[in-house]
Amino acid sequence: AQSVTQLDSQVPVFEEAPVELRCNYSSSVSVYLFWYVQYPNQGLQLLLKYLSGSTLVKGINGFEAEFNKSQTSFHLRKPSVHISDTAEYFCAVIVYGGSQGNLIFGKGTKLSVKP
Amino acid sequence: DADVTQTPRNRITKTGKRIMLECSQTKGHDRMYWYRQDPGLGLRLIYYSFDVKDINKGEISDGYSVSRQAQAKFSLSLESAIPNQTALYFCATTHGPSTEAFFGQGTRLTVV
Repeated sequence: AQSVTQLDSQVPVFEEAPVELRCNYSSSVSVYLFWYVQYPNQGLQLLLKYLSGSTLVKGINGFEAEFNKSQTSFHLRKPSVHISDTAEYFCAVIVYGGSQGNLIFGKGTKLSVKP
Repeated sequence: DADVTQTPRNRITKTGKRIMLECSQTKGHDRMYWYRQDPGLGLRLIYYSFDVKDINKGEISDGYSVSRQAQAKFSLSLESAIPNQTALYFCATTHGPSTEAFFGQGTRLTVV
């Protein structure tokens, strides 16, 4: 079964600093990859997704992620964070093909942006 | 109106009671999911359904059951609630495997 590992449970960072949130997945077959964000007391919303093509994916709010098949990673980056980026971020994977296809999430990374 | 609606939004129930959480969607999506969210554990998949006649267990299905009454409706039941089922529950939908998942606002369930 596929799994998703988010390597950092909490990431504190100062405003305007760069940030990287790490995600690794375990699957030997083809996957779709996603990053979702959850603001306090809200549901999840999509930041970006990788389906195929260019390994560098750009999303909303200035975030981007790079798919690295050899390292089975899909790290999320932003060059300069804002206070409003404070939220919990979830990496997710779908293994496609055959009877598979359920959406599996990592445990989340809480990003805390300090002034 | 929200694309994915969960009812109730909050519920407190006693140990041993049966409770149903409901989810309805207006997206026209074929796939629906139920997750529970616990601090530090992320979202864990309880059940998922790829269409009305296709229901599958997720990683933590014990103590839960589901019903896909129609393409737009997917209900989660706790037959006999226990305190460690206290959590935030989310319903989500997708159209096939490659599209964005849309989430409800969540149901906060407390079992006392």
